[in-house]
Amino acid sequence: ETGVTQTPRHLVMGMTNKKSLKCEQHLGHNAMYWYKQSAKKPLELMFVYNFKEQTENNSVPSRFSPECPNSSHLFLHLHTLQPEDSALYLCASSLTTTDTQYFGPGTRLTVL
Amino acid sequence: AQKVTQAQTEISVVEKEDVTLDCVYETRDTTYYLFWYKQPPSGELVFLIRRNSFDEQNEISGRYSWNFQKSTSSFNFTITASQVVDSAVYFCALSQVSNDYKLSFGAGTTVTVRA
Repeated sequence: ETGVTQTPRHLVMGMTNKKSLKCEQHLGHNAMYWYKQSAKKPLELMFVYNFKEQTENNSVPSRFSPECPNSSHLFLHLHTLQPEDSALYLCASSLTTTDTQYFGPGTRLTVL
Repeated sequence: AQKVTQAQTEISVVEKEDVTLDCVYETRDTTYYLFWYKQPPSGELVFLIRRNSFDEQNEISGRYSWNFQKSTSSFNFTITASQVVDSAVYFCALSQVSNDYKLSFGAGTTVTVRA
């Protein structure tokens, strides 16, 4: 099921750049999530939004700024990132926060 | 506390062989859910199965089968007659009431199926 889309799929940015990742779900879900997947590390939950309200910030540095304008769209605004922020950023959605999460294809981010 | 352990880092098999992926979990909750996801090289996590803690019936879906045993806190996954397209990283995950149903993932097992 390709109900969760993410753009761009690949992004290369310098440490002084500002960029945004976009996630859109077409499943009618009410909860959306950002995860970070670094090499050799388990998936890390970053943020949770439920009915457009942020309900979880897992001690994420302020250089990552999420935005959820509606239940179908989720953004991750990036600024002054560090090379160690290079990772695969995955978006997911679920009908409610207790339901199965469905993931997008991810954005492969490289910070130079 | 909650934890998911996938002891096998990598498994390599020849096509048509069966492969079993182990998953052991820790939880103090009586209500929890267990999941398996597949991550092919493209990167997307593909949902495979969700089981709740009150349903210990084993499940079969095509070439995939799952063995849930609460007595050993295990939720193992078997691919029968593996195919090259099964090559991926497979993640076991746990969600539970006490953690607001947030997913806790294992480290993943990389399966390589050789032709």
